[in-house]
Amino acid sequence: GAVVSQHPSWVICKSGTSVKIECRSLDFQATTMFWYRQFPKQSLMLMATSNEGSKATYEQGVEKDKFLINHASLTLSTLTVTSAHPEDSSFYICSATDKVGELFFGEGSRLTVL
Amino acid sequence: DQQVKQNSPSLSVQEGRISILNCDYTNSMFDYFLWYKKYPAEGPTFLISISSIKDKNEDGRFTVFLNKSAKHLSLHIVPSQPGDSAVYFCAARIAWGGNQFYFGTGTSLTVIP
Repeated sequence: GAVVSQHPSWVICKSGTSVKIECRSLDFQATTMFWYRQFPKQSLMLMATSNEGSKATYEQGVEKDKFLINHASLTLSTLTVTSAHPEDSSFYICSATDKVGELFFGEGSRLTVL
Repeated sequence: DQQVKQNSPSLSVQEGRISILNCDYTNSMFDYFLWYKKYPAEGPTFLISISSIKDKNEDGRFTVFLNKSAKHLSLHIVPSQPGDSAVYFCAARIAWGGNQFYFGTGTSLTVIP
């Protein structure tokens, strides 16, 4: 089946640094990718919708300058957490839809900001 | 505003019995529903889906029921197995929403051996 891969799966960084997380669709072209964040014991919260070749659409309350999303190709989207702070520590998950609209998730990336 | 709700944060079921997970939604424009399973520190994995034109979809031990008039969705797992212990999310998509999915808050299922 379709596979979506995220890298890195776990990253630890110092406060104030920027971290980039990659999301790749390995065997299909994904025109739309989604970025989610999961807080402990809470639902997946949609952060932004990313369409290839255009600017991402951010959900209300998500800072676009803080969470930079780039969808440069049909198989790659990146999320950059800029000037990360401890409150940005979370589990970030991407997903991508194939031609028929089915949704596939990446394995998730755990960010810990010290 | 939470458009997809899972009112039971947790559920415990004996192995071999039926697990029923419930999901309610408010937006009548949702046309496609899914259930996902998530283990700790892993991404969600797709379980089963149902289109709004159907009221039931079955895949092995998993059956999803859709009651559009009640705006209610349920997932039945029969028989439940210890490996089914995980957090289950329901999700819904708006027909014209460009593949944007809305998730419920999840139900943590524990299957007791």
